[in-house]
Amino acid sequence: DAGVIQSPRHEVTEMGQEVTLRCKPISGHNSLFWYRQTMMRGLELLIYFNNNVPIDDSGMPEDRFSAKMPNASFSTLKIQPSEPRDSAVYFCASSLYASGNTDTQYFGPGTRLTVL
Amino acid sequence: LAKTTQPISMDSYEGQEVNITCSHNNIATNDYITWYQQFPSQGPRFIIQGYKTKVTNEVASLFIPADRKSSTLSLPRVSLSDTAVYYCLVGVKGFQKLVFGTGTRLLVSP
Repeated sequence: DAGVIQSPRHEVTEMGQEVTLRCKPISGHNSLFWYRQTMMRGLELLIYFNNNVPIDDSGMPEDRFSAKMPNASFSTLKIQPSEPRDSAVYFCASSLYASGNTDTQYFGPGTRLTVL
Repeated sequence: LAKTTQPISMDSYEGQEVNITCSHNNIATNDYITWYQQFPSQGPRFIIQGYKTKVTNEVASLFIPADRKSSTLSLPRVSLSDTAVYYCLVGVKGFQKLVFGTGTRLLVSP
């Protein structure tokens, strides 16, 4: 199994530009999570999906952030327009069960985003 | 908003047992407690999961008291490769929100 796949691994962009992060969960997993990690705030849950449906997006910082999951094998996290304070490592994770509880999550390698 | 708390850092030597505690006063009734390990430039990796009492696998043990308001990850004999950040993950009652702990940075020295 290839595990959770994220792309790109690194992204450098300028303030005001649109950024799209991509994630392919483990095949057969029903839940998908987007996290953001910074030194100041640690690891924060942004949003999670069960069976492709967004369940809890209360962690999304503001309207500039949006996430979609058009099918079971693909999700995107978009930031438009990006700001320097969005610089962080963004992780995608997936889990087998669709309960939304703390089932084992498998994390991708992350996307390191730098907004200049 | 309830929080989970862990010690910021711990130091140990090779071969010693390390115990890391996480406090989670508002854990949800149906939620499990999961611990993750993270190395630099990598995503967190599952270590162990439990609901109550004690769970043991090939790398760690997890102790959970009856009230479930805390949990302790026990690493039996650490090696240099166990140097990492360790997180506990629980649900938060009333918010249905998964909350990672603050993380404990473990440094294992020779």
